[in-house]
Amino acid sequence: ELKVEQNPLFLSMQEGKNYTIYCNYSTTSDRLYWYRQDPGKSLESLFVLLSNGAVKQEGRLMASLDTKARLSTLHITAAVHDLSATYFCAVDVAGTASKLTFGTGTRLQVTL
Amino acid sequence: DAGITQSPRHKVTETGTPVTLRCHQTENHRYMYWYRQDPGHGLRLIHYSYGVKDTDKGEVSDGYSVSRSKTEDFLLTLESATSSQTSVYFCAIKALAGINEQFFGPGTRLTVL
Repeated sequence: ELKVEQNPLFLSMQEGKNYTIYCNYSTTSDRLYWYRQDPGKSLESLFVLLSNGAVKQEGRLMASLDTKARLSTLHITAAVHDLSATYFCAVDVAGTASKLTFGTGTRLQVTL
Repeated sequence: DAGITQSPRHKVTETGTPVTLRCHQTENHRYMYWYRQDPGHGLRLIHYSYGVKDTDKGEVSDGYSVSRSKTEDFLLTLESATSSQTSVYFCAIKALAGINEQFFGPGTRLTVL
């Protein structure tokens, strides 16, 4: 059974600081997805990582994938309040009929 | 916005009553999914569909059934709602062949008293 673990589960950080969210998974996969969810809202796709060593950046967020370590990171640079949200990673395992397994989420709170 | 709507958006019902949630998409996507979201569990897959009348179970399918008689509609039914099924339900679609990036509807908040 595929397990996807995120840490930390909750992160409070000051504006301007850098931090990294980690996503570990238990089965071989070379496809990983990051989503953002604002309180009371739906999930928004942020990044699609499709191979080992893939790196994607959008604004202050950068995601990377290391399939050998079964690890993805979401790095936040110089955080701003607007980045406050819950971030989920999800893993796609080949041969599982297009199903995603989600981590439990990291709630990020950026304080002024 | 991937053209996904869910109805109702909010529902309060009583234990033992049947409940049907609807997911509607306008872009002819083949794959559709139902998830539930609960604190501490992230999103968990209930059922999914890979075409009209083609459905399969997900991780937490007990107590739920689904139907897809048209490409655009995917229905989730709780035959006899229980308090443990109080949750937020999200529908999703997969837009591209070969990539499992999913796009989500706005969600339905269901409370079972």
